[in-house]
Order: sequence, then C-alpha cells, then structure tokens
Amino acid sequence: DADVTQTPRNRITKTGKRIMLECSQTKGHDRMYWYRQDPGLGLRLIYYSFDVKDINKGEISDGYSVSRQAQAKFSLSLESAIPNQTALYFCATSDLGLQGASEAFFGQGTRLTVV
Amino acid sequence: KQEVTQIPAALSVPEGENLVLNCSFTDSAIYNLQWFRQDPGKGLTSLLLIQSSQREQTSGRLNASLDKSSGRSTLYIAASQPGDSATYLCAVLKIASGSRLTFGEGTQLTVNP
Repeated sequence: DADVTQTPRNRITKTGKRIMLECSQTKGHDRMYWYRQDPGLGLRLIYYSFDVKDINKGEISDGYSVSRQAQAKFSLSLESAIPNQTALYFCATSDLGLQGASEAFFGQGTRLTVV
Repeated sequence: KQEVTQIPAALSVPEGENLVLNCSFTDSAIYNLQWFRQDPGKGLTSLLLIQSSQREQTSGRLNASLDKSSGRSTLYIAASQPGDSATYLCAVLKIASGSRLTFGEGTQLTVNP
C-alpha cells in the first residue's frame, strides 16, 4: 500500500458543485500539505498543517478550505468549484527532522476537471 | 522570494549516455533540496534529499550535488535507460518558508532505445 493515499484519483464535476479530496498517510508524519500542479506554473502550495489543531494558508488558498481530521487525514474542499480549479492535486507529508524538515512524500495525485 | 529554475526544460538522449540536469535557486537560506521524478499523470517519487549541510547524495545510478553558496544543484544520471524517461523536479525548502517547498518547473527527459 502507498504511504500517502489520495481519493478519488480522477474526478469530473460541474461548476458550482462542492467537492472534497481526501488524503491519508501511514508515514506517521505530523506535517501534511496540499499542492496543485498546472502546466507552466509548476506546483503551488494551497494549505498546510503541522498537526491536528494547526491549519495554515499557502500561496493560493482562495476558493479552498481544509480539514485535519486526525494526524493521518487531511482533506481539501472546493466549496463552489470553478473551471480554473481544473488541475492535478497532490497531498504530501513530511516530518520535523534534526535540520528543520525531513524528506517530503507525495501521493499519486487527484486529477480534477471542472466543467 | 525564492525562485527555482531548471535547465534544460527538455532533454532527449540515447540510451547509455551519462547526463546532468541543473537546478538553480535564488535564496541560499534553505533547509534542504529534494529531487523528484514524475511520470506522466502520476505522483512525485522522491529520488534524493540533500540537507543544507551536505554536498552530495548518491542512490544507485543517481548522484545529486548541492552548492548552496552559488544556489545550484545538479542531478547526474549515469548510464541512462529508457525507464529513466520522466520529468525531474527539484524543490527547495526555504528556512523562512513555513515549510513550503518551492518547485522548479522540471526537466522532461526522454531516453531513446
């Protein structure tokens, strides 16, 4: 089984619909992240969480919200999906190592299309 | 603001060739630099992590170097194989970033049989 699991892997939704992307991890890491990837723009951080009670905005958080339900689970919601949120979404985890941060591990991605 | 640049954007080589991928970053105040591989439509697989105090890391045919003072890292792939074809991404973790990785846009590598 993958260390970082995202569901669903693919999703097509209509404009205005609410959608939730889920992420679970078995790494035992405290830190979890949501990124989106767009051609020509690379990967950009949406939200991140250092523990269950901690939520932080990334560089492109508008239109998104998150929930850290447990150490192992971090969900991303699009409250009212719009076409420019069509992208490949990645969940990632890392831990606080001796030198500040450890290796980051990524899920397989969720391809979201908003029509 | 941290910026990460990868050159070249695309590279095509014959099987067996040794090759170097380049990554440069503007802010040397980093915790670490990480190289990833991404296959089309797939997730990111971590290849090598170099802490800021290290100069290089090796894994099999891969060797990554880090020169923090000049803001450069290279990924060396020895004896390339068609299975190495993928997009290679570098990412830096800046000390003042709040744990945000800053990614380059990647180098798309094709190894021809």
